[in-house]
Amino acid sequence: EVQLVESGGGLVQPGGSLRLSCAASGFTFSSYDMHWVRQTTGKGLEWVSSIGTSGDTYYRGSVKGRFTISRENAKNSLYLQMNSLRAGDTALYYCARARDGFDCWGQGTLVTVSS
Amino acid sequence: QSVLTQPPSASGTPGQRVTISCSGSSSNVGSNYVYWYQQLPGTAPKLLIFRNDQRPSGVPDRFSGSKSGTSASLAISGLRSEDEADYYCAAWDDSLSGHVFGGGTELTVL
Repeated sequence: EVQLVESGGGLVQPGGSLRLSCAASGFTFSSYDMHWVRQTTGKGLEWVSSIGTSGDTYYRGSVKGRFTISRENAKNSLYLQMNSLRAGDTALYYCARARDGFDCWGQGTLVTVSS
Repeated sequence: QSVLTQPPSASGTPGQRVTISCSGSSSNVGSNYVYWYQQLPGTAPKLLIFRNDQRPSGVPDRFSGSKSGTSASLAISGLRSEDEADYYCAAWDDSLSGHVFGGGTELTVL
């Protein structure tokens, strides 16, 4: 069974850091582009970042320079290092697999940035 | 403010056909594939339509997608109560070099 399980979310003060992880199973992780997508409470979806099979990375403008996406194929894992966190980063963060659309999503991990 | 524009809500009665629109620009919908996602309450989104009008295996043929110019649409025929969900369109944006979503449409089955 294809599965993605996120972890690492929590409450952090503005300016703080968090590292999200996503454990993949049931498919050949190294063959897929991987993404982070977030959703604020009661609001819509917002793409955050992606990493290709060859390690190429993309970020939405508001997180460039603060977030870093990475992957470790040997561990079937995806990461998102988030620094200089702001209140506007508060959201449920999903990791998602992509080939033709985001065809598999995790259950999400909640990040709350508040003092 | 989302890059792709969707109506915030839509509704229909069981058995009806409902259409949800998604409006973009030449840098996203106009030049790239459109994808649709269904998000049932309390769950993660699910891919409903890919490459404008293709259904993943397991998605009923009651769901169909189309695209014309800088607009796309999701149609749901034979509406059922279990179709009550939020629906999002998405596309790659060449100008932003990133994926963009619509603001989502909350579908109510009356």
